[in-house]
Amino acid sequence: DVKVTQSSRYLVKRTGEKVFLECVQDMDHENMFWYRQDPGLGLRLIYFSYDVKMKEKGDIPEGYSVSREKKERFSLILESASTNQTSMYLCASRSVNYEQYFGPGTRLTVT
Amino acid sequence: GIQVEQSPPDLILQEGANSTLRCNFSDSVNNLQWFHQNPWGQLINLFYIPSGTKQNGRLSATTVATERYSLLYISSSQTTDSGVYFCAVEPNSGNTPLVFGKGTRLSVIA
Repeated sequence: DVKVTQSSRYLVKRTGEKVFLECVQDMDHENMFWYRQDPGLGLRLIYFSYDVKMKEKGDIPEGYSVSREKKERFSLILESASTNQTSMYLCASRSVNYEQYFGPGTRLTVT
Repeated sequence: GIQVEQSPPDLILQEGANSTLRCNFSDSVNNLQWFHQNPWGQLINLFYIPSGTKQNGRLSATTVATERYSLLYISSSQTTDSGVYFCAVEPNSGNTPLVFGKGTRLSVIA
């Protein structure tokens, strides 16, 4: 079974802190994705990556950066967390032309 | 870009009832998936179905790619079926991110 894991289920951070959200997949998938989900706004794509050291901006990249140093790991970085980044963050991975799988999500609260 | 519309937006069912959820998309696609988001927020894969029909227990799905729609059938619904059902498509233009519909929120009442 494909497994996508995220470093935390719940996280509380203070405004201005640097926040790292980690995502790891165990199926050698080329593609990895970060989304955020807010009530009434659906899933919005933040960043994605097609390969190691590659990254592409999604629909809402402002305030975020990413890192993909190894194929199995894709990190989302909030350089200076703000209250409007309080959200559910979902990581996903997929192989080309195959199914996409999601991690369990991280509920981030920025106070 | 491609548009994905799901209907109905909300659905309330009595336990044991059947339902059909619809997903329309505006252009040809490489990939179509159905997901169920459970109350804890996790998105669970239901079907990978760019075309044809698949069944898994009480759930089945049909995609008619030429007419640009997909249907998800839930039979004999149970309270554990509650949650949000998302349809997502990969546009037919290469390796691109999935485009999600806004979802159908299903509530199954005992």
